[in-house]
Amino acid sequence: AQSVTQLDSQVPVFEEAPVELRCNYSSSVSVYLFWYVQYPNQGLQLLLKYLSGSTLVKSINGFEAEFNKSQTSFHLRKPSVHISDTAEYFCAVSRGGSQGNLIFGKGTKLSVKP
Amino acid sequence: NAGVMQNPRHLVRRRGQEARLRCSPMKGHSHVYWYRQLPEEGLKFMVYLQKENIIDESGMPKERFSAEFPKEGPSILRIQQVVRGDSAAYFCASSPLAEGNEQFFGPGTRLTVL
Repeated sequence: AQSVTQLDSQVPVFEEAPVELRCNYSSSVSVYLFWYVQYPNQGLQLLLKYLSGSTLVKSINGFEAEFNKSQTSFHLRKPSVHISDTAEYFCAVSRGGSQGNLIFGKGTKLSVKP
Repeated sequence: NAGVMQNPRHLVRRRGQEARLRCSPMKGHSHVYWYRQLPEEGLKFMVYLQKENIIDESGMPKERFSAEFPKEGPSILRIQQVVRGDSAAYFCASSPLAEGNEQFFGPGTRLTVL
């Protein structure tokens, strides 16, 4: 069975500072990895995903995440955050090579202060 | 192409009543997933359906909860005899028949049980 751990429940940062949101997973099989973002009272939006190939994946709004198989991690990073990045971020995993449900971490609330 | 639609967005029920939550997947998507989000928790998988079939219901409570995805019409998550502990946000996601299992989420239904 897979599981996901997001070590930080809340991350406060100042605008234009770099940020890293940590995600570790456990699985005995190959996995797909995802980061979703949730703004208040809204559904989840896919931020980026790793399926295969290059271990570094990037989003259109400056976020990136690197799949590290040896450390079973998929940390999310942004070199310079904006106020508008304030949201809750969820890391998720699914079993590779098949359709099936996502397993989510408990989420990290990113709060960007001016 | 409209996104995943859920209605109602907010639903208030008294203890013992029934709650019906509806989800219309994105056009061309044949896979539907239901998740529940409790306060301060990540999303928990409930059930995975394809048209007229329940594929995986391992996350559904054994009693009072049921789901369907008929040949015509939206997917329905039904909760009978609601209790206060059922108060949560319920999210529906859909995905196409494709490798990668990218799931697109609806805005959610926020159920409040009085």
